Amino acid sequence: DQQVKQNSPSLSVQEGRISILNCDYTNSMFDYFLWYKKYPAEGPTFLISISSIKDKNEDGRFTVFLNKSAKHLSLHIVPSQPGDSAVYFCAASASMGGQNFVFGPGTRLSVLP
Amino acid sequence: DTAVSQTPKYLVTQMGNDKSIKCEQNLGHDTMYWYKQDSKKFLKIMFSYNNKELIINETVPNRFSPKSPDKAHLNLHINSLELGDSAVYFCASSRGGGFSEAFFGQGTRLTVV
Repeated sequence: DQQVKQNSPSLSVQEGRISILNCDYTNSMFDYFLWYKKYPAEGPTFLISISSIKDKNEDGRFTVFLNKSAKHLSLHIVPSQPGDSAVYFCAASASMGGQNFVFGPGTRLSVLP
Repeated sequence: DTAVSQTPKYLVTQMGNDKSIKCEQNLGHDTMYWYKQDSKKFLKIMFSYNNKELIINETVPNRFSPKSPDKAHLNLHINSLELGDSAVYFCASSRGGGFSEAFFGQGTRLTVV
């Protein structure tokens, strides 16, 4: 029973274009959402987060959008660079009752030069 | 100056052995976690400790026992290792209290032969 879903296992994008990674969740108790980037043989690295009181958060080339009614969030990377090639995990947590980060299965992004 | 460090990075051992993975964080965080990434690449929480107290214990065989000697350390002991325990284990830490991201170690790849 996946509470956090990333339905695209992989995505290929041309360098300089926009990458859009999607994530859906089912648990309405989730109120904090995060994106992590992971290179092979390394741990996940925190990228950007958003709390449920916002619908957009931006940090440089990375923007996360949250649509609470649809229980959907997305990560936009503009412009995409070859160094962005990695696996991207969406994660969610409920701030009340102990903090447990629930991860999606990940999307492998390949940015082609 | 690694924020979350875990040792060893690789561990190959025979079935039936007992092994430990160590984790230390120098971020001053109150909450520490162990996650398991299985062969399908899902990241699933195993345990969560807050101020040395166990707060989350997912459905994990009791052969796995976390031990937190102090806030900065959360070690994972595994008894009677089985083939199915082969996975990558990640330690992480966060400030806790909601709306804070987790920082991950580089992972320990455990192979049981």
